[in-house]
Amino acid sequence: DAKTTQPNSMESNEEEPVHLPCNHSTISGTDYIHWYRQLPSQGPEYVIHGLTSNVNNRMASLAIAEDRKSSTLILHRATLRDAAVYYCILRWIQGGKLIFGQGTELSVKP
Amino acid sequence: SAVISQKPSRDICQRGTSLTIQCQVDSQVTMMFWYRQQPGQSLTLIATANQGSEATYESGFVIDKFPISRPNLTFSTLTVSNMSPEDSSIYLCSVEEGQGDGIEQFFGPGTRLTVL
Repeated sequence: DAKTTQPNSMESNEEEPVHLPCNHSTISGTDYIHWYRQLPSQGPEYVIHGLTSNVNNRMASLAIAEDRKSSTLILHRATLRDAAVYYCILRWIQGGKLIFGQGTELSVKP
Repeated sequence: SAVISQKPSRDICQRGTSLTIQCQVDSQVTMMFWYRQQPGQSLTLIATANQGSEATYESGFVIDKFPISRPNLTFSTLTVSNMSPEDSSIYLCSVEEGQGDGIEQFFGPGTRLTVL
């Protein structure tokens, strides 16, 4: 399984944008880039995913490098409820298992 | 999106005993997954359970220790056998829904297990 590398932790101020980076230099052409987050005492929840183009949804934006070897999850205005561990995961195009790395623990200061 | 429930939500067990965790989904799904999350750690995949076939275990996990049943498309169980304190973890089930570009995985709330 292709590996991702994320910073262990990041800090943000409330209502400011947050850019969470992820490196995946061994990504293959059949891998989607998925982001999940795990709020305290909850199971992970889906955030966003993409293949080659940048993606936007109501939760976040995903910016994917042209060579697909890195990506950035963008939270446009962080709230205290966005404090969580964010996982960047490469997933085979046909679906299947998710292999979690250590993720980035995001803390948001009021 | 799939709604997943797990029973029990938490338990405290004695070493050497076994605990069976149930996972119920509100829709029919083909693929179900069981994960373990040790204290302060990320999630580790235990096995993939498809209905009508034997579960596929990840490296480091064996059927004798973590037997899994998948009797139908909405239900699965994971048993943690002959428990030791090292098995103290949160156990989560998840399901995959959607097709093609829209595939997502949904997670249950987890079962918090403490082994004394």
